[in-house]
Amino acid sequence: QVTLKESGPGMLQPSKTLSLTCSFSGFSLSTSGMVVSWIRQPSGKSLEWLAAIDWDGDKYYNPSLKSRLTVSKDTSNTQVFLKITSVDTADTATYYCARSNWFAYWGQGTLVTVSS
Amino acid sequence: DIQMTQSPASLSASLGETVTIECRASEDIYNGLAWYQQKPGKSPQLLIYNANSLHTGVPSRFSGSGSGTQYSLKINSLQSEDVASYFCQQYYDYPFTFGSGTKLEIK
Repeated sequence: QVTLKESGPGMLQPSKTLSLTCSFSGFSLSTSGMVVSWIRQPSGKSLEWLAAIDWDGDKYYNPSLKSRLTVSKDTSNTQVFLKITSVDTADTATYYCARSNWFAYWGQGTLVTVSS
Repeated sequence: DIQMTQSPASLSASLGETVTIECRASEDIYNGLAWYQQKPGKSPQLLIYNANSLHTGVPSRFSGSGSGTQYSLKINSLQSEDVASYFCQQYYDYPFTFGSGTKLEIK
C-alpha cells in the first residue's frame, strides 16, 4: 500500500526558508523509474508543479521558481525534502508530494501560511 | 513551458446528463495527459492517465480521449458524487503543467 505524508512548519514569516518533508511507504525511491514530485495549490486556485527527484538522484525544477528551490532525498530513499528560500505571501498554499509522472498517489497536503 | 488551456471554467449540469471538459496543450504532448478530480478539502484523485486509460477503481462513466494538442474528459450519466473540480495535467515534458480547472456543479 502506497502512502505519502507531507510535514511542514504551518506558518512562517516572509523572507524565511520553508522546509518541507515528504515521508512515504509502499515503494522505494531507489527503484528504477520512481519519481516523487512536489506540487502546491493556493486556496481556490489551480495546481502548480514545483520540483521532482527521481530514483537516480536527478532533479527537475519549475523554471519560474528554480532559483529558490532545492529538492533532495534521504539515503534510505523513504523521504524527500523541499526547501524554498525567501518566501513571501504568494507562497501561501497547500503543499503536496505525489508519486510521478501521472500522480496516482498523493499525500494529504500540508498548509503553509506565510505571514508576518 | 507547455501551457494547458482548460475549458470551461465552470459547468452546471443535471443528474444523468453527459458533460465534457476540454484541455488544449500549446504543443503536441503525445498523449502524456492525466485528469484529476478534486473535492473540497481533499487531495486530487487520478481519473485518467495516458489520455485515455482509466485508473484502477474509477467508475467507467469517466472516459478520456484526444491526441496531439486536444484532449477531453467525458462524464456519462452524471451523479451527485461527481460534484468537484477537475484538472488536466501534461507530463510529456518538464516542467509538468496543469490546466486552470473546471468546477462542476449539479443544476
